Amino acid sequence: GAVVSQHPSRVICKSGTSVKIECRSLDFQATTMFWYRQFPKKSLMLMATSNEGSKATYEQGVEKDKFLINHASLTLSTLTVTSAHPEDSSFYICSASPSGGGADTQYFGPGTRLTVL
Amino acid sequence: QKEVEQNSGPLSVPEGAIASLNCTYSDRGSQSFFWYRQYSGKSPELIMFIYSNGDKEDGRFTAQLNKASQYVSLLIRDSQPSDSATYLCAVNSGGGADGLTFGKGTHLIIQP
Repeated sequence: GAVVSQHPSRVICKSGTSVKIECRSLDFQATTMFWYRQFPKKSLMLMATSNEGSKATYEQGVEKDKFLINHASLTLSTLTVTSAHPEDSSFYICSASPSGGGADTQYFGPGTRLTVL
Repeated sequence: QKEVEQNSGPLSVPEGAIASLNCTYSDRGSQSFFWYRQYSGKSPELIMFIYSNGDKEDGRFTAQLNKASQYVSLLIRDSQPSDSATYLCAVNSGGGADGLTFGKGTHLIIQP
């Protein structure tokens, strides 16, 4: 079956530093990847849509200069949290849709738990 | 603003009974509807999706969709303790290029 991986699974960083999270589709090509964020006891909130070879589309209220997204290949999207602060501590989850697939084929990665001290 | 509403629970159901989870959505243009299960600290896993009005069955799970009422539900028959988790309802308004709008989830507890 389709597998999406994320790296790292857990990261702790100091306030003001930048953190890069990778999302990879291991056995399929993904034109589109999505980045979600989940705070404790809250639901997943879509942050942005990552499109291979073009700029990401950000949801309202998500700062594009703070959350940098790069989708340089059909199997890799990265999310960089720049100048991280404690309020950015969250569970970041990516999902990927196989090229040509519909929404029913959106596969989620295992998530990355970010803690900013 | 697209909204997906769920009762947060907890919903407690005895083992072997039917668990009924409900969800309403605000965007009448929504086309695709999903139920995900999420265990604590883990990412969501897809249980079912439904596109058309009516019922869709898959093993012990049945999804029900009523677009006129903007209502989608999930029934779990013969509930097992391993079904204890948070169940997330998600909606997609596009054709696959859009991300999902999630509800807050219902915490389900199956009592042995």
